[in-house]
Amino acid sequence: GAVVSQHPSWVICKSGTSVKIECRSLDFQATTMFWYRQFPKQSLMLMATSNEGSKATYEQGVEKDKFLINHASLTLSTLTVTSAHPEDSSFYICSASPGTSGTDTQYFGPGTRLTVL
Amino acid sequence: GQQLNQSPQSMFIQEGEDVSMNCTSSSIFNTWLWYKQDPGEGPVLLIALYKAGELTSNGRLTAQFGITRKDSFLNISASIPSDVGIYFCAGSTSGTYKYIFGTGTRLKVLA
Repeated sequence: GAVVSQHPSWVICKSGTSVKIECRSLDFQATTMFWYRQFPKQSLMLMATSNEGSKATYEQGVEKDKFLINHASLTLSTLTVTSAHPEDSSFYICSASPGTSGTDTQYFGPGTRLTVL
Repeated sequence: GQQLNQSPQSMFIQEGEDVSMNCTSSSIFNTWLWYKQDPGEGPVLLIALYKAGELTSNGRLTAQFGITRKDSFLNISASIPSDVGIYFCAGSTSGTYKYIFGTGTRLKVLA
């Protein structure tokens, strides 16, 4: 149980284009989903917290107009990187939590490798 | 963003040896999680700890929630080659839904 999928697993795009990444909880309903970014040989940095049916909460320094998050259902959240630039190239990972408590564990997706040319 | 201090940063050990790593914070946490991440993949949950002093095992892995609630430890016994990877701790404070991740410990096992 507690399987989270991401699509696509990798994507290459041209500078200035937008890219959408999907995160799905396959066998549970995720009240809360999280989006992380991970640069090579670094830890996971939380970008935003996504709650179903409401606006996402962004971490300090993360541009909400650049990283659009939509959590339209209890099993799907999407991250759209708008007007992508080479510095946005990174490993984007989502996680999903079945509950609303801070003690709920998070289950991670396999990640999406974004390369912006 | 905020990160937890994790040590050691990297370890090279012989197959069969035991491994210990820890995570420390200046803040009190209510939950500690330990994850393993293989290259190019998402982290996989190993152990979850919810109470100070709690000691939990998962096969050859044992983790403890520090009494002060500011640290946690992960031990791996009798390491095998597939233990290679990056181990992350993550802590959550009361009233929040989000976790702060440690800096990671890279483990390499020499056969």
